[in-house]
Amino acid sequence: KNEVEQSPQNLTAQEGEFITINCSYSVGISALHWLQQHPGGGIVSLFMLSSGKKKHGRLIATINIQEKHSSLHITASHPRDSAVYICAVIQPTSGSRLTFGEGTQLTVNP
Amino acid sequence: DSGVTQTPKHLITATGQRVTLRCSPRSGDLSVYWYQQSLDQGLQFLIQYYNGEERAKGNILERFSAQQFPDLHSELNLSSLELGDSALYFCASSVPPNTGELFFGEGSRLTVL
Repeated sequence: KNEVEQSPQNLTAQEGEFITINCSYSVGISALHWLQQHPGGGIVSLFMLSSGKKKHGRLIATINIQEKHSSLHITASHPRDSAVYICAVIQPTSGSRLTFGEGTQLTVNP
Repeated sequence: DSGVTQTPKHLITATGQRVTLRCSPRSGDLSVYWYQQSLDQGLQFLIQYYNGEERAKGNILERFSAQQFPDLHSELNLSSLELGDSALYFCASSVPPNTGELFFGEGSRLTVL
């Protein structure tokens, strides 16, 4: 079993829909990252969380440390949101190494 | 533009060869991280440097080595290349080593034939 698991693996939505991607982890963490990877391959860090909730534009990320769970929400989804979304955690005993989930492929159709 | 520069963007080489991938971090960032993304393994952490010193090591093969120079740029050397080394290699940088936001380069796509 992977230490970081994401669901769903694939998600197709219509433009304007509210989207949720989930991440569960089985280890203690000091922080969690949500990353976005576009078809060209480049990776962008969307959020880094250690508690609570963060919002940036139409993106919202939450984390529940007790339940070892994080969610990434996209409101009013748009075709340009189509990408792979990756959850990654930093464990306090591992220095700075990130452990990655397998990613969620999101496709938003117009 | 993240401010992290990786070269080359694409590289095609043959088995048994050696290549060097280069990363220039964002101005002022002291930490550099290397990651490998292959089709069958996903993203994996390889190694981290902080201000010239190795800070953390992940699933990096003995055929691979890295270093960070005094000007903070970093190089990842891959030798005795095998078909399975074909992957995207990402570099990322941050200011503080453990809890800072990460900025990723565009990646170097290595194809080993």
